[in-house]
Amino acid sequence: AQSVAQPEDQVNVAEGNPLTVKCTYSVSGNPYLFWYVQYPNRGLQFLLKYITGDNLVKGSYGFEAEFNKSQTSFHLKKPSALVSDSALYFCAVRDWGSSNTGKLIFGQGTTLQVKP
Amino acid sequence: EAQVTQNPRYLITVTGKKLTVTCSQNMNHEYMSWYRQDPGLGLRQIYYSMNVEVTDKGDVPEGYKVSRKEKRNFPLILESPSPNQTSLYFCASSLDAYEETQYFGPGTRLLVL
Repeated sequence: AQSVAQPEDQVNVAEGNPLTVKCTYSVSGNPYLFWYVQYPNRGLQFLLKYITGDNLVKGSYGFEAEFNKSQTSFHLKKPSALVSDSALYFCAVRDWGSSNTGKLIFGQGTTLQVKP
Repeated sequence: EAQVTQNPRYLITVTGKKLTVTCSQNMNHEYMSWYRQDPGLGLRQIYYSMNVEVTDKGDVPEGYKVSRKEKRNFPLILESPSPNQTSLYFCASSLDAYEETQYFGPGTRLLVL
């Protein structure tokens, strides 16, 4: 079965420090990987995706993610965190399965807390 | 502005009282989907629709119905809500089921007493 795991419920970093939010996946076939962010009382906003090509993917708001096939990981990173980055982050993988339902399989989410 | 809208944003109801959460997109997307978000579980797909008049069950369809009479609208219907359907609901759409990026609505927070 295809799955996504975010091993940390919460990540705390100081403003200005680099941040990493971890994600590992298990899929059959080529993974289509995504990061979404949810700010308080807001919907999910698309941050970035990996479909194919360069393993380092750049997205919105200065975020980037590194696809590592051997470690089946897709960690989200940012060189310098901002207090405004504090939010709930979801990693997701497209489930192709035996028939294409278009479904995204989400991790359980990681709360990022950036302190001044 | 391209967007997915949901109404209502917040709803408190009682067990057994039928309710409908509307979802509308203005991007001419063929594919639409409903998810529910629960703490520690992430988002799980309830129903999806490949196109008008084509709908199918996701992972957690029990207690829900949907319809897709028009391309832009995909309402979620709870015929007899129960407390275990208290959750945060998101509607999503994409150009088609093969399009990589799905766009999400703002969410509907439902409390069933």
